[in-house]
Amino acid sequence: AQSVTQPDIHITVSEGASLELRCNYSYGATPYLFWYVQSPGQGLQLLLKYFSGDTLVQGIKGFEAEFKRSQSSFNLRKPSVHWSDAAEYFCAVGPKTSYDKVIFGPGTSLSVIP
Amino acid sequence: ETGVTQSPTHLIKTRGQQVTLRCSSQSGHNTVSWYQQALGQGPQFIFQYYREEENGRGNFPPRFSGLQFPNYSSELNVNALELDDSALYLCASSLEGWGGRAKTQYFGPGTRLLVL
Repeated sequence: AQSVTQPDIHITVSEGASLELRCNYSYGATPYLFWYVQSPGQGLQLLLKYFSGDTLVQGIKGFEAEFKRSQSSFNLRKPSVHWSDAAEYFCAVGPKTSYDKVIFGPGTSLSVIP
Repeated sequence: ETGVTQSPTHLIKTRGQQVTLRCSSQSGHNTVSWYQQALGQGPQFIFQYYREEENGRGNFPPRFSGLQFPNYSSELNVNALELDDSALYLCASSLEGWGGRAKTQYFGPGTRLLVL
């Protein structure tokens, strides 16, 4: 079955510390991979995406993610977290020709301590 | 700001009623997808419209229906509302070619629906 797992429901980090949010997926073929961020009361903003090529993907706001096929993972990282990064983060996978089976993970809530 | 707008921002309905939610796509985008996001969960795909036709549907009953208009704006209609329909409803627009490569979706701010 196709699924996305985000093992950490909630993470708290201090401002300036590094961050890694985990994402694992189960999918029949190599999917497209996405990370979205959602601030309270807001829609989803795309942070980055992986379609093919270099497995280390750079995104907006200083985020990056690495696709590891052998581990079926697509972890999100940021070297130094800012207080404004506090939000909900969603990993998503989708097929390469259509959006009709985009699957989102349950999300990881990030809190940042000043 | 993605250029995708949704109305209304909030809505309260009672069980059994019908509701219509609206979405205006980003300029130039021909595809709209709708998602339901229950509290504390990730979004779940409802359906997608491409050039006014339904182009894929998730695991939602027929009382969830939609329309896409010639200007590519869209409506989500839900009949016979149930308590579990309470959620944030998100629309996302993208520029698709028929059967072509998937493109990036841009999400609106959502409509929060409460069913009492």
